[in-house]
Amino acid sequence: NAGVTQTPKFQVLKTGQSMTLQCAQDMNHEYMSWYRQDPGMGLRLIHYSVGAGITDQGEVPNGYNVSRSTTEDFPLRLLSAAPSQTSVYFCASSYSSDSMWPQHFGDGTRLSIL
Amino acid sequence: KQEVTQIPAALSVPEGENLVLNCSFTDSAIYNLQWFRQDPGKGLTSLLLIQSSQREQTSGRLNASLDKSSGRSTLYIAASQPGDSATYLCAVGGATNKLIFGTGTLLAVQP
Repeated sequence: NAGVTQTPKFQVLKTGQSMTLQCAQDMNHEYMSWYRQDPGMGLRLIHYSVGAGITDQGEVPNGYNVSRSTTEDFPLRLLSAAPSQTSVYFCASSYSSDSMWPQHFGDGTRLSIL
Repeated sequence: KQEVTQIPAALSVPEGENLVLNCSFTDSAIYNLQWFRQDPGKGLTSLLLIQSSQREQTSGRLNASLDKSSGRSTLYIAASQPGDSATYLCAVGGATNKLIFGTGTLLAVQP
């Protein structure tokens, strides 16, 4: 099992550019989510999904889009990158969307917006 | 809106010491509380889950307690080791399929 795979690991963008952060899991997990982690602020939920075709907003969804066409993949799209989106992004998955336990995290994508 | 706070933000202890990390939350209507560990440059690793109906949960040298009415959870680490050095985060799960995280406690265990 590869677990949760995030690509790329590092990325530098210019303001206004768009990009997609990829997240894939091979555990047939129902629940997937995206977080951003900023210094001193913990993890903040961007978007989440409780199954293929179902997505919903988290705490900080503005500027981001998601889709879940398959159980395995949950890409995060930055529509028009802004310096405020410089952060470390984590994707996570769990079998149950009720308990959301245990969570399996990817190693993160470190994104810098210039 | 649920808010989760962790105190202290950082903690340094000598090896072998028992220690307690604190987590508090503002809305007691929770489904569960989860504790995680994060090593530098890595994602989070799940440590313990406490259901809202439980008072505590144990895994090896880790013991987590939950007092839902007062909005508090503690993570007790017995006989700390240098390998325990990491950031520890708590997160609250509610009815909305969302995990709300605290800001974490950075733990350093000195050999």
